[in-house]
Amino acid sequence: EVQLLESGGGSVQPGGSLRLSCVASGFTFDTYAMNWVRQAPGKGLEWVSGISGTGNSAYYADSVKGRFTISRDNSKKTLYLQMNSLRVEDTAVYYCAKEGSISWNYYFDYWGQGTLVTVSS
Amino acid sequence: QSVLTQPPSVSAAPGQKVTISCSGSSSNIGNNDVSWYQHLPGTAPKLLIYDSNKRPSGIPDRFSGSKSGTSATLGITGLQTGDEADYYCGTWDNSLSAGVFGGGTKLTVL
Repeated sequence: EVQLLESGGGSVQPGGSLRLSCVASGFTFDTYAMNWVRQAPGKGLEWVSGISGTGNSAYYADSVKGRFTISRDNSKKTLYLQMNSLRVEDTAVYYCAKEGSISWNYYFDYWGQGTLVTVSS
Repeated sequence: QSVLTQPPSVSAAPGQKVTISCSGSSSNIGNNDVSWYQHLPGTAPKLLIYDSNKRPSGIPDRFSGSKSGTSATLGITGLQTGDEADYYCGTWDNSLSAGVFGGGTKLTVL
């Protein structure tokens, strides 16, 4: 059974940093790209970042480019999102999502339950 | 403002059919497949359709997807009260080199 378990969310002041983690199980982790998707309060889903199975390629939404860094440790089956220079508008539930195909077709067949990040002074 | 445009809400009676549209451009839907997700508050989003018209195992055939040009459509037949949720389309945008979602459509089953 595929499971994705996020952690690392919490409350932080504007300008602060947080690192989210997502531990995966139930599939061959290094075969699949992984993504972070967020949902701000009262808003829709927003794709944040994606990384290839090897970790050699990474992509970011313009809203987080230069502030967030996605990475993965395939030996630990863990996905990360380092979030720096956090802004109030980064407040959201952050979901870890598994790519559905071995070739990066941009669809997500499994999602974690999400971790809440609150940026407030 | 989302790159992909969805109607904010749709509604229909139980047992009826509803369609949800997703409009994009040549840089996204026009050249890439579309996926659709069902999202209930407080839960993880659920994949309904991938590669524009394929259903994952376990998704009933009441749900269907299609794509034409720069638009995609999700169809739901035999509506049930349990289908009340937010629905999102998603794809890759070649110009942005980023994933994009529609703004979401709230389905109400009257």
